[in-house]
Amino acid sequence: EAGVTQFPSHSVIEKGQTVTLRCDPISGHDNLYWYRRVMGKEIKFLLHFVKESKQDESGMPNNRFLAERTGGTYSTLKVQPAELEDSGVYFCASSQEVASNTEAFFGQGTRLTVV
Amino acid sequence: GQNIDQPTEMTATEGAIVQINCTYQTSGFNGLFWYQQHAGEAPTFLSYNVLDGLEEKGRFSSFLSRSKGYSYLLLKELQMKDSASYLCALGLGGFQKLVFGTGTRLLVSP
Repeated sequence: EAGVTQFPSHSVIEKGQTVTLRCDPISGHDNLYWYRRVMGKEIKFLLHFVKESKQDESGMPNNRFLAERTGGTYSTLKVQPAELEDSGVYFCASSQEVASNTEAFFGQGTRLTVV
Repeated sequence: GQNIDQPTEMTATEGAIVQINCTYQTSGFNGLFWYQQHAGEAPTFLSYNVLDGLEEKGRFSSFLSRSKGYSYLLLKELQMKDSASYLCALGLGGFQKLVFGTGTRLLVSP
């Protein structure tokens, strides 16, 4: 069974440019989450989808970040325009159930560097 | 908010036992998770505690005391491949909104 896959694995862009990150969850997982780790800090929650609906987007830093999950399958996270402080590793995770003790499976992350 | 503390780095010897502590301050959570993350790889689930006590899973065990705001991950019979970061995380809300600590980097030496 394929795990959570993220693309690209690395991205280097200039300040002011746009970048779109993609996440393919495990097939059949309704729940999809985005997290981010800024250098030296802990992994932080960004948002949660249940199928195509945003359940919780309380962790989104500002309106330069836009997440979508059209059709309830893969998700994209767009940063426009990118700023230097957006650099970090963006993780996607998915889970099958919403029960609190359900394991979330993480992708390897996209390392974003804004220069 | 939540405040989760873990030691930044620990070292241990192959074959030994190591305990990684996690203390937290929070108003409420569903359960406490431990994840392992090798450099450049995805965090992978190790264990979950919802009730106080010890959960054992092979060489790994995790303990939780809600009254003391304390958890630990115990790794037995350490192997070189156990060198990784170990992340303590609280599960909040009715779903898996995870709040992570900064992680403990464990270095296992021969």
